[in-house]
Amino acid sequence: GAGVSQSPRYKVAKRGQDVALRCDPISGHVSLFWYQQALGQGPEFLTYFQNEAQLDKSGLPSDRFFAERPEGSVSTLKIQRTQQEDSAVYLCASRTEASGASQETQYFGPGTRLLVL
Amino acid sequence: LAKTTQPISMDSYEGQEVNITCSHNNIATNDYITWYQQFPSQGPRFIIQGYKTKVTNEVASLFIPADRKSSTLSLPRVSLSDTAVYYCLAGYRVYQLIWGAGTKLIIKP
Repeated sequence: GAGVSQSPRYKVAKRGQDVALRCDPISGHVSLFWYQQALGQGPEFLTYFQNEAQLDKSGLPSDRFFAERPEGSVSTLKIQRTQQEDSAVYLCASRTEASGASQETQYFGPGTRLLVL
Repeated sequence: LAKTTQPISMDSYEGQEVNITCSHNNIATNDYITWYQQFPSQGPRFIIQGYKTKVTNEVASLFIPADRKSSTLSLPRVSLSDTAVYYCLAGYRVYQLIWGAGTKLIIKP
């Protein structure tokens, strides 16, 4: 079946440019997560949605980062005025379970590799 | 939040059993232990999860001693395609899991 998809797969932006990264979760999945993965490091949590509600955004590194999931399915992570330190892979994950407990696995997309020049 | 410690890298050979040990000294009562695998240019993929004793599935086994302060991922008869980064995670809320840098496993022919 279809997994989590993300687009674009690669994005090159000039410093100061705004970017939008899209995540299509598995159909019917309630929870959606965004992560940032720097080169050689593990993913770091950015934000979490349960349906359309953003329940936790404690991992967003600055107010230049904004995420939304208006209809409880597709989500967009927007980065305004990109900086070189924003260069990373941005991963999206989804799962059916709503509580946030770790007993149920997350399904990850392939990620969007962002390079800010 | 439980932080985990695992080897930065490991080498092994095709056909061997590989054991990756992870320590999580401050694991909490409700925390589960979860392992993910990640190939280059892909998102992490769930391998196995457990709470205590032993869990086995079609790809791996997970051994957790009674004190739960460590765990061991066992991959039987590895092949070249098992070359990847393996992450050990300990926690209850999935969005509070601390991933760390993982263990880079290299399988040689």
